[in-house]
Amino acid sequence: AQSVTQPDIHITVSEGASLELRCNYSYGATPYLFWYVQSPGQGLQLLLKYFSGDTLVQGIKGFEAEFKRSQSSFNLRKPSVHWSDAAEYFCAVSTKTSYDKVIFGPGTSLSVIP
Amino acid sequence: EAQVTQNPRYLITVTGKKLTVTCSQNMNHEYMSWYRQDPGLGLRQIYYSMNVEVTDKGDVPEGYKVSRKEKRNFPLILESPSPNQTSLYFCASSLWQGAPVYEQYFGPGTRLTVT
Repeated sequence: AQSVTQPDIHITVSEGASLELRCNYSYGATPYLFWYVQSPGQGLQLLLKYFSGDTLVQGIKGFEAEFKRSQSSFNLRKPSVHWSDAAEYFCAVSTKTSYDKVIFGPGTSLSVIP
Repeated sequence: EAQVTQNPRYLITVTGKKLTVTCSQNMNHEYMSWYRQDPGLGLRQIYYSMNVEVTDKGDVPEGYKVSRKEKRNFPLILESPSPNQTSLYFCASSLWQGAPVYEQYFGPGTRLTVT
């Protein structure tokens, strides 16, 4: 079955430290990949997306993600975390075979220690 | 300002009392979708629509109805709400040029409690 996993339910990092959030997907077709962020009490906002081309994509707020087809992964990274990055992060996938659906991962909650 | 609006933002109701959550977007998007968010489960798609009068079931459609009579509006209807529909609901919209779905714009969410 098609699925998206985010192995880390909750991560805590110190402000200024680097961050990597993991995302793995299970799809047979070429995936279209997204990372969304949900700040407390807010809706979701797109951080970045990958459709094709360069496998390292840049997003807003200093985030980047790398698509690795061999590992079925699309991990999100940031070199230096700010306290305002504390939020819930969701990986999402859509494909031409899933046609018009989007599958979200369960989310990773990020806490930032001052 | 480009946005997706939902109303109400908070709703407490009783089992069996029909309710409607409205969703409207001002970006002329073809694709609209409803999700529910539950702890540990992420967002699960309830229903979606690729254009006026075109809707389809997502992964968790049981107990919900939708309609798309106008391009900008996509209301979610719970004909007989039950406590297991207590959740945080999000409406989203996107451009649609055929599969796959592109990036979506989300509303602020509606927190529904069914007692």
